[in-house]
Amino acid sequence: GAGVSQTPSNKVTEKGKYVELRCDPISGHTALYWYRQSLGQGPEFLIYFQGTGAADDSGLPNDRFFAVRPEGSVSTLKIQRTERGDSAVYLCASSLTANYGYTFGSGTRLTVV
Amino acid sequence: DAKTTQPPSMDCAEGRAANLPCNHSTISGNEYVYWYRQIHSQGPQYIIHGLKNNETNEMASLIITEDRKSSTLILPHATLRDTAVYYCIAVNTNAGKSTFGDGTTLTVKP
Repeated sequence: GAGVSQTPSNKVTEKGKYVELRCDPISGHTALYWYRQSLGQGPEFLIYFQGTGAADDSGLPNDRFFAVRPEGSVSTLKIQRTERGDSAVYLCASSLTANYGYTFGSGTRLTVV
Repeated sequence: DAKTTQPPSMDCAEGRAANLPCNHSTISGNEYVYWYRQIHSQGPQYIIHGLKNNETNEMASLIITEDRKSSTLILPHATLRDTAVYYCIAVNTNAGKSTFGDGTTLTVKP
């Protein structure tokens, strides 16, 4: 596609539930990034993929968060046992190569009630 | 990644140049300066980047000081649509992640 696509755009879930957030990067972009953003703050790094492998997952806050990119294109961010503090906008970005210049999606707004 | 420091907010009159400063005094030789902006409810949008030379594109100009410890993003003729949060980040192209601060909220006023 022309840009980075994230689905769903909005997700409301109950505390304790499992959620999956999907990112479809620009075709041919080898690098893919997940960030999350709370209101009034800048994006916070979560994880970076180069191809299929997670090259840097140092930003994942705990083991409830996991992300995959099995074929080197679409990525899924998975959150288990969601907590109210997980509520945020989850942003995905891709770039041609590492840190070349990101193209961000519009994000998924996750609300845990 | 080097830490960047930006003023939390700035105002600019429509049609005038907006000059947004960024301090990156600990930047290393292989780190680029990147600028992004974020309009409400959208993901950040790439604007421009540079290493040590000044850069210009259709959106903006980037002036980097000779010692590379600071830079300025210039929007030559600001419009109301330029109202956004502007992020300056230092990017090590050998590393994967980039660290965003809280940016500068630019408000362009009629």
